Amino acid sequence: GESVGLHLPTLSVQEGDNSIINCAYSNSASDYFIWYKQESGKGPQFIIDIRSNMDKRQGQRVTVLLNKTVKHLSLQIAATQPGDSAVYFCAENIIGNNDMRFGAGTRLTVKP
Amino acid sequence: DTGVSQDPRHKITKRGQNVTFRCDPISEHNRLYWYRQTLGQGPEFLTYFQNEAQLEKSRLLSDRFSAERPKGSFSTLEIQRTEQGDSAMYLCASSRGGGQPQHFGDGTRLSIL
Repeated sequence: GESVGLHLPTLSVQEGDNSIINCAYSNSASDYFIWYKQESGKGPQFIIDIRSNMDKRQGQRVTVLLNKTVKHLSLQIAATQPGDSAVYFCAENIIGNNDMRFGAGTRLTVKP
Repeated sequence: DTGVSQDPRHKITKRGQNVTFRCDPISEHNRLYWYRQTLGQGPEFLTYFQNEAQLEKSRLLSDRFSAERPKGSFSTLEIQRTEQGDSAMYLCASSRGGGQPQHFGDGTRLSIL
C-alpha cells in the first residue's frame, strides 16, 4: 500500500550548522503535510505544515519544501541547536480524511 | 491554551486485565484522535471523533478496543483483556478541524506484564 517514508533514519550535525531532513511520500492524493518533533517521553510537537498548493513555507528557523513532482518533502532547520535533538516525523493527510499517516522518523543529533 | 492532557502517563498491568485511558483535548478543538505508537515507529491512527460522534476507526482497533467521547469534550480509550502486543504508547491529539494541525498530548505508556 501507499505509505510515508523517510530517506535517513539518523542525522548528526554540528551545532550551528543547518540541518535538512527528508521525507518521501507515495500517495499522490495527499494534499496536507506536517512536520513533527518528538523528544524522548513526550508526544509529537507540531513544527510546521504545508498544503499542496504551496511549495515552500517558512517558520522560525524552519523551512518546509514540498516537491509534488517527485513526491518529496524536506524540513530545513537553520543554525541547529542542541535543543533541536529529537526524532522528526513527517506526516501526510488527505484533507477530508482523518487518518494522518506518519513515517518512521529521523533521529537528529546535534553535536556541540 | 493548556494543551492536550492525557492520564495516566504510565500504566503497568497484567495480561488479561482491562485498562482505560483518558484524554482532555484543547478546549476549542472539536476533533479528537487516538493513535498508537510503538518503539522506533511513527504514530498509527486508531480512531477519530468529531464532537461526540466516532466517525472513523482503523482496522488496528480490534473489538477489544473501545473509545468514547460522551459529551464531546474528554475521551476515554478502553482496552479489554489486554495482550502483550498491546504494549505501546497511546497518544491523543486534537484539532480545530480538517486540514488543521493535530496537537498531541504526551501519551500514556502501557506495559503488559
